[in-house]
Amino acid sequence: DAGVIQSPRHEVTEMGQEVTLRCKPISGHDYLFWYRQTMMRGLELLIYFNNNVPIDDSGMPEDRFSAKMPNASFSTLKIQPSEPRDSAVYFCASSKHWRDEQYFGPGTRLTVT
Amino acid sequence: TQLLEQSPQFLSIQEGENLTVYCNSSSVFSSLQWYRQEPGEGPVLLVTVVTGGEVKKLKRLTFQFGDARKDSSLHITAAQTGDTGLYLCAGVELMNSGGSNYKLTFGKGTLLTVNP
Repeated sequence: DAGVIQSPRHEVTEMGQEVTLRCKPISGHDYLFWYRQTMMRGLELLIYFNNNVPIDDSGMPEDRFSAKMPNASFSTLKIQPSEPRDSAVYFCASSKHWRDEQYFGPGTRLTVT
Repeated sequence: TQLLEQSPQFLSIQEGENLTVYCNSSSVFSSLQWYRQEPGEGPVLLVTVVTGGEVKKLKRLTFQFGDARKDSSLHITAAQTGDTGLYLCAGVELMNSGGSNYKLTFGKGTLLTVNP
């Protein structure tokens, strides 16, 4: 298996623009997670899905952030409008069961100027 | 959300030395995971500890879960340059009795540098 795939790997955008991050989980995994990592706050869970259904979005910073999982093999995290404080590395991870290991993608480094 | 404090935040040692890093919380977790993250990559799971007092060994790495399941430690014997990375602990909270909904809370990590 190719592992969790994220795109793009790097994104530089101007404040106010819309940003869409993409994730393809490992086939057969029922759980998908979106995280954000910064030096100040560490690795934070934003939202996670079970069988394509959002279960906990309490980590989503504000209404500018939204996430979708239209099918078992694809998810998006959208920021609209983007702000400089959104600059971070965004990770997607998947797991087969809640008890199991989470497999992380390589991350998307987002810079908002 | 339960908080996990990791210490030290930074650690720089020479190859061959031993070290211990800590992960502490005031609350109880169902289980605790340790991950290692290398630059430009996502975290990779090293181990999961479930039972209070549990000790797990992974080659030169020894993981211990506190008796009360509130804290954990990672001890590395004879560190090698390949051990360099960010070590993250993550606590698992069950959000419902059925176990289908849960939350994984990460500490900020210990950045370990092993110098040759």
